[in-house]
Amino acid sequence: DVKVTQSSRYLVKRTGEKVFLECVQDMDHENMFWYRQDPGLGLRLIYFSYDVKMKEKGDIPEGYSVSREKKERFSLILESASTNQTSMYLCATKGTGGTGELFFGEGSRLTVL
Amino acid sequence: AQSVTQLGSHVSVSEGALVLLRCNYSSSVPPYLFWYVQYPNQGLQLLLKYTSAATLVKGINGFEAEFKKSETSFHLTKPSAHMSDAAEYFCAVRGSTLGRLYFGRGTQLTVWP
Repeated sequence: DVKVTQSSRYLVKRTGEKVFLECVQDMDHENMFWYRQDPGLGLRLIYFSYDVKMKEKGDIPEGYSVSREKKERFSLILESASTNQTSMYLCATKGTGGTGELFFGEGSRLTVL
Repeated sequence: AQSVTQLGSHVSVSEGALVLLRCNYSSSVPPYLFWYVQYPNQGLQLLLKYTSAATLVKGINGFEAEFKKSETSFHLTKPSAHMSDAAEYFCAVRGSTLGRLYFGRGTQLTVWP
């Protein structure tokens, strides 16, 4: 089974802090994604990466950046956290080809005070 | 462009009753469609997927979905609800850009005893 591990399940940060959310996968998947989940809005794509050091903006990239230095690790960075970034963040991976389903981590719930 | 509409943000059924969760999609390419389930404080788990083979797709936990091209629908059903089915359900369609998924806003299923 694919294992996608998000290092922090719950975080509380203060406005203006720099926040790192880490995601590690063990299945050698090329594609990795960061989604944000908010009640009534479903999942919205922030950034995705299809290869090491490659990244593409999703639908809501403002206020976020990402890093993919190794194939198995994809980090989401909030340079200066704001209260409107309080949310659940979900990392997902997908192999190349196949039927295209995503495999999700358990999520990181971030609260910005 | 691809998009998904889930009709009904909340659905309530009695234990043993039929579950019907509605999903309509829009896709400029032949669609791959997915249903995911999310239990509280967890990530998303794949329930089932349509990949242009059989139009009636069976998934885990007794769920199934029928692809109807003429209606652009992919509704999720289960003949008899169980208390353990209480969760949030997301419909998704695969996009043409590197296979990213577009998610609906989710339907919260409540099961009454």
